[in-house]
Amino acid sequence: SAVISQKPSRDICQRGTSLTIQCQVDSQVTMMFWYRQQPGQSLTLIATANQGSEATYESGFVIDKFPISRPNLTFSTLTVSNMSPEDSSIYLCSVANGAKLFFGSGTQLSVL
Amino acid sequence: AQKVTQAQTEISVVEKEDVTLDCVYETRDTTYYLFWYKQPPSGELVFLIRRNSFDEQNEISGRYSWNFQKSTSSFNFTITASQVVDSAVYFCALSEDAPFGNEKLTFGTGTRLTIIP
Repeated sequence: SAVISQKPSRDICQRGTSLTIQCQVDSQVTMMFWYRQQPGQSLTLIATANQGSEATYESGFVIDKFPISRPNLTFSTLTVSNMSPEDSSIYLCSVANGAKLFFGSGTQLSVL
Repeated sequence: AQKVTQAQTEISVVEKEDVTLDCVYETRDTTYYLFWYKQPPSGELVFLIRRNSFDEQNEISGRYSWNFQKSTSSFNFTITASQVVDSAVYFCALSEDAPFGNEKLTFGTGTRLTIIP
């Protein structure tokens, strides 16, 4: 199985600020995925991060709001920019290891 | 577009009862993958199963079993002899045909299962 470490595990932020979430995997992976889980809701894919190229964003998500970096095959960051209370969610990174898809423990973000 | 429907928002059963969680999906792909994840109160997502669209055999893993019926686009999950530790939110998910490592998941809205001691 893949071990995924996400930092921070939670944070409380002020409106208008930005937060960068880190995702570290214990093995090299081609794709890393970023999901959002709003309170009491299901998970929604934000973007797919491929090492060496720009991330691919899903409908409703834009690079200016959620810039992503993927500097190598084991690491990625997601930044939530110019935050508003509507951004309060759990943000999770995900990777595949063989036939299984694994998720990090998530970053619980609260925006005041 | 892909869609996953979990019509049961919340289910409560008494411990040791069997319980089935329903999942209905929509896709235009002929090749696709179906998943179940468990999200206990601690919040992490626990992988339970991945099934490809060409494998319609039912699967059993301990107290867990899955019934895949392509004819009705359903992939239901049954827990036999439920235990309190089974209390969690369960998500069904669907991905398009993609090489390993490239699957993007479409999740259902989840079913909150509560096992009453």
